[in-house]
Amino acid sequence: DGGITQSPKYLFRKEGQNVTLSCEQNLNHDAMYWYRQDPGQGLRLIYYSQIVNDFQKGDIAEGYSVSREKKESFPLTVTSAQKNPTAFYLCASSRGHQPQHFGDGTRLSIL
Amino acid sequence: DAKTTQPTSMDCAEGRAANLPCNHSTISGNEYVYWYRQIHSQGPQYIIHGLKNNETNEMASLIITEDRKSSTLILPHATLRDTAVYYCIVSRLNTGTASKLTFGTGTRLQVTL
Repeated sequence: DGGITQSPKYLFRKEGQNVTLSCEQNLNHDAMYWYRQDPGQGLRLIYYSQIVNDFQKGDIAEGYSVSREKKESFPLTVTSAQKNPTAFYLCASSRGHQPQHFGDGTRLSIL
Repeated sequence: DAKTTQPTSMDCAEGRAANLPCNHSTISGNEYVYWYRQIHSQGPQYIIHGLKNNETNEMASLIITEDRKSSTLILPHATLRDTAVYYCIVSRLNTGTASKLTFGTGTRLQVTL
């Protein structure tokens, strides 16, 4: 079945380390998105990409980086510059103005 | 994008209709109303969206007032599996390929026996 796959489901990082979260979609969607969710809060947009090799900052891009080398893939790197990286990270994709489809998320924790 | 206001929480008895309200008094003419829900520790699930006409699909109905300043999501026969946080989002129809969504804190719906 078509969908969005995020891996791993749980991720642990030591302070000072960069870590990359994977997001793959086989829906043939042009646009992809990364959101962050903190406990009891809504989702906040980190980065989004409308086409391959192009991406824009969202509302909370500091301390994060992305790449979009393939249509199917939009990995997110949480750098050591992100002061409070512990959160639930969600990836989504869409085509045009159609609704966004979400993956099941990666929960990142700092050891 | 216009801001939305939703109640923090609601309860509904299983088998009854759940009516979730949303205010979006600053909505502009080219903005759609979207509803998503999020079950604990999962990604949000799209439910329904509309511009000005009422909409219905296999999951729910969306009623938008004539002035478009508020809307109601209706789950006609709520089950325990409908317990989730429900987000009402207003978003502009983009001419490009990406549509940015702004999530608030939503309404936590608890369906009870």
